[in-house]
This record gives sequence, C-alpha cells and structure tokens, in this order.
Amino acid sequence: SQTIHQWPATLVQPVGSPLSLECTVEGTSNPNLYWYRQAAGRGLQLLFYSVGIGQISSEVPQNLSASRPQDRQFILSSKKLLLSDSGFYLCAWSYTNPKNIQYFGAGTRLSVL
Amino acid sequence: AQSVAQPEDQVNVAEGNPLTVKCTYSVSGNPYLFWYVQYPNRGLQFLLKYITGDNLVKGSYGFEAEFNKSQTSFHLKKPSALVSDSALYFCAVRDKGYSSASKIIFGSGTRLSIRP
Repeated sequence: SQTIHQWPATLVQPVGSPLSLECTVEGTSNPNLYWYRQAAGRGLQLLFYSVGIGQISSEVPQNLSASRPQDRQFILSSKKLLLSDSGFYLCAWSYTNPKNIQYFGAGTRLSVL
Repeated sequence: AQSVAQPEDQVNVAEGNPLTVKCTYSVSGNPYLFWYVQYPNRGLQFLLKYITGDNLVKGSYGFEAEFNKSQTSFHLKKPSALVSDSALYFCAVRDKGYSSASKIIFGSGTRLSIRP
C-alpha cells in the first residue's frame, strides 16, 4: 500500500533562518506531488506541484522554493524565513490520472518567531 | 477559471440530527468533485468523490453527497450526526478538461460542530 511521510511534525525557527521540509511517498512510482500551506486552520493554498523529477510548478510568488531530487521525494525550502511563512504545511500525492484523489501527509506546523 | 465556494464558515448540529455542509462550484466544463475532512493538526482525509454517473455519491463514515448540475452544487450530507463528525470539511473541484497536472481547487472549509 502507499504511504506518505512528512517531517518534522512541528518546527520553530527564527526569522531569517533557512527551512527544509521533506516529504516522501512509498508504494507507488511517478506520482504527482504537491505542497500546500494552510493558514489559521482554514483554506488551503497550493504552493507548488510536480509531475516528475526536476519538474516544479509554482503557484504563487513567495519566499519559498521546492525541489524534487528523486521520484518520490519532494522538498520545500527557504533561504531566509519571514514571519509570514508561519503556518501548517501539507504535502500530498496523487496518481497522474485527474480522476484520482490526493492523499495528504500529516502536516508540519511551522512557527517563525 | 475554476472555483469552489463553501458559504458557511461553521455549521452547528445536535447529535442524531441530519447535517448538510454546502458547496457550490464553477468550472468551464464537467467537474470532478471531492469532499475531504480534516481533524485538528492532521492532514486531509478523502471522504468521497463524484466523477460521473449516479448523482448521489456515498462515502466514508456514512457521508453522502448529491451532485446537482443545474445548481452547480455538491452538498455533503449525513442522516444522523455523531459527535465524532466534528471537524473541518473541504469541498474541492477539478475541471475534467484542465490540461495541467491533476490540480484541484479547495474551498475555504466549513467547521462542523456536533453537540451532544
């Protein structure tokens, strides 16, 4: 069966520090991968998605970047965190067929202080 | 452009009563529609989806949703609410004709609160 791992679960970082959040998927190959941010426990904002290794699409201009160095690994990064980067970050995967649902990781709660 | 609206920030229901969480959508073609649930500090969990066929879709935990093309709605329902149904619910839509990755748009979420 397929599983998605996302870590760390909680992270507290000072303003100006770098960020690296990692997401890996097991049990499938060539998945579509997604990074979302959820502010204040409400709506989801799609940040990045990837349809293959090295292929990243950015949805909104921001202080963050994403990379996909391996087929089932998706990394969210920042060189210098801002206060506004605080939030709940969710990784998800799906099969490439658009009928298919997205499967979400447990999320990372990031607090930038 | 596709969009989805959840007009209610919060829905309060007594345990044992029926519940409805509303969702309307806008797409250029025929939609794929989804409902997800999120418990505190957790990722989203899939509940059900509409792709084609029967307008009434049954999903996990006794939930169902009815696709209404004329009203462009996909309301989530349950005949008898449980306290454990209390959570944040998201409606999502994807245009079948959308040419990019399987990218879906999520609504803003509705917080469902079931009182004992």
